[in-house]
Amino acid sequence: GENVEQHPSTLSVQEGDSAVIKCTYSDSASNYFPWYKQELGKRPQLIIDIRSNVGEKKDQRIAVTLNKTAKHFSLHITETQPEDSAVYFCAASSYNQGGKLIFGQGTELSVKP
Amino acid sequence: DTEVTQTPKHLVMGMTNKKSLKCEQHMGHRAMYWYKQKAKKPPELMFVYSYEKLSINESVPSRFSPECPNSSLLNLHLHALQPEDSALYLCASSLRDSDEAFFGQGTRLTVV
Repeated sequence: GENVEQHPSTLSVQEGDSAVIKCTYSDSASNYFPWYKQELGKRPQLIIDIRSNVGEKKDQRIAVTLNKTAKHFSLHITETQPEDSAVYFCAASSYNQGGKLIFGQGTELSVKP
Repeated sequence: DTEVTQTPKHLVMGMTNKKSLKCEQHMGHRAMYWYKQKAKKPPELMFVYSYEKLSINESVPSRFSPECPNSSLLNLHLHALQPEDSALYLCASSLRDSDEAFFGQGTRLTVV
């Protein structure tokens, strides 16, 4: 079955710096890759996603890149702000898996003012 | 209404109790999910309902029993739980089972 590895497990940056979180997946049939942000005590919130027919997607300060050949995808946050501090999860699924999302282990991002 | 709503927000139950968690969405989504999340861990899929039919059961113990009465509602019936079942239980929904999934705020369950 699918396995998703996520690195780093913790990341500390200064406000205004960029943050990059990387994930690799094992199942070449995976074609959908969402990223969730979870603040302490809150629900996971979908912040951006990408499908396997594109290589990059941007939404303001957030971007996701996908390399299908290498089976990895990354989240890029520019101009980080303290409110970006949270746990970020990557996930992968394939159209024939019935909506089953396989999550990475999470990255705890801390943005210091 | 663009939210997934879960009740209750918090639940404390004894090991002999029977309780139910409820989830509701009015976005016309036809896939609904139950996830379990332990502290500092990612969500783990328990069940998927697609068009009100159970499509995935991730070998969850029978003390957890899902029910999908209609396309807007999803329940999780709990019976004879163990302390290790204490966790955040998250409901999610998506338009279809391969689309973006949106999570409810969760039920924080404590089994004593």
